[in-house]
Amino acid sequence: SYGLTQPPSVSVSPGQTARITCSADTLPKHFAYWYQQKPGQAPVLVIYKDDKRPSGIPERFSGSSSGTTVTLTISGVQAEDEADYYCQSADSSGIYVIFGGGTKLTVL
Amino acid sequence: QVQLQESGPGLVEPSETLSLTCTVSGGSVTSGSDYWSWIRQPPGKGLEWIGYKYYSASTSYNPSLNSRVTISVDTSKNQFSLKLSSVTAADTAVYYCARGGRVGGTTMFDHWGQGTLVTVSS
Repeated sequence: SYGLTQPPSVSVSPGQTARITCSADTLPKHFAYWYQQKPGQAPVLVIYKDDKRPSGIPERFSGSSSGTTVTLTISGVQAEDEADYYCQSADSSGIYVIFGGGTKLTVL
Repeated sequence: QVQLQESGPGLVEPSETLSLTCTVSGGSVTSGSDYWSWIRQPPGKGLEWIGYKYYSASTSYNPSLNSRVTISVDTSKNQFSLKLSSVTAADTAVYYCARGGRVGGTTMFDHWGQGTLVTVSS
């Protein structure tokens, strides 16, 4: 079986740095993507190709990759960043899409 | 700016077929680079990829749903559709349509519909 492993929750105070990890053996082979989902809303792409930021996404959102782990970093967290965050990549073949279980970011 | 809008019944009876349609505006389902996709989210749970269709090419479905899923494209209406057969309560979820794009051998989703809740119940 395959899957992307994320911590269920992360908590930070406003202005601090939040780091959300996502791990899988397939990550060295395939790009990872990150989505932000606020309650009652559709997910929004915040990072693509491991570390690229789409237009319109604040600079405080960044991504990185190291071996079997990718990390979403939110610097200077704001209250509006409180949301669920999902990583996404592919299985070993690159054909099937897989999502992580999601991480709930709480801004204290 | 591509926009997507899901439509279809909000209630489906067990063992029946769930049918949803996604209307695309600001883009074309005949685009040679887009992967027209369905993703679902059971209440209070995470995202699950259902599958996608790449215009004029093959479809790809989640292996766990493969035998029950069909995704098709209607070029005359600029829509794509999802059919999920033999539904059970476990198929109750918010269903999203999304536009996917292949990047470096993997698929990412840069535009999403607002989602529609489908409840399976008698």
